[in-house]
Amino acid sequence: GQQVMQIPQYQHVQEGEDFTTYCNSSTTLSNIQWYKQRPGGHPVFLIQLVKSGEVKKQKRLTFQFGEAKKNSSLHITATQTTDVGTYFCNRGSTLGRLYFGRGTQLTVWP
Amino acid sequence: DGGITQSPKYLFRKEGQNVTLSCEQNLNHDAMYWYRQDPGQGLRLIYYSQIVNDFQKGDIAEGYSVSREKKESFPLTVTSAQKNPTAFYLCASSIGSLRGTDTQYFGPGTRLTVL
Repeated sequence: GQQVMQIPQYQHVQEGEDFTTYCNSSTTLSNIQWYKQRPGGHPVFLIQLVKSGEVKKQKRLTFQFGEAKKNSSLHITATQTTDVGTYFCNRGSTLGRLYFGRGTQLTVWP
Repeated sequence: DGGITQSPKYLFRKEGQNVTLSCEQNLNHDAMYWYRQDPGQGLRLIYYSQIVNDFQKGDIAEGYSVSREKKESFPLTVTSAQKNPTAFYLCASSIGSLRGTDTQYFGPGTRLTVL
């Protein structure tokens, strides 16, 4: 119900290849957030999307929010070894808690 | 991120012992959270607190207890009733607007190993 589904669970790419992770919900989302967790580290906030069809960029990272506000994606162009980690999406609720997806673990081979 | 401390970084306990994990924040945030993360797994919410002296169970509260006597502190006790306590525990805080758009700031985490 409240959870968001994230795919794929694992992704292995060669350095320089592109990478995309998807976040899907069965219900309309008011907003979606993306976090990154480096190996051995803690999650760090990347970005929040609120508007239907919204697209935001951070250097090689492109974040999209679907027109129906039921899905979102994170695309990394030309991955680097520094992109290694787990990427989480989550949805908020008016109860104040967040509902995290299971995350996509990205491995980048040099 | 900055402003949230968890101690210790690594903790070892014998089976059957209760253990309390510390979480302190100086961000003046109203809301605080405890998550559990197992290897290769996502974040599962244990407890959260929107305001001092109040807290709610998350998705996996069984075997855990919390208190929120001060705004800046939200300790988590892992009791002997928790069947598989070995995990990475993350504390987080947010402004606590209840709008569902708050950014969560995480502490560095505590790795608990129960022998």
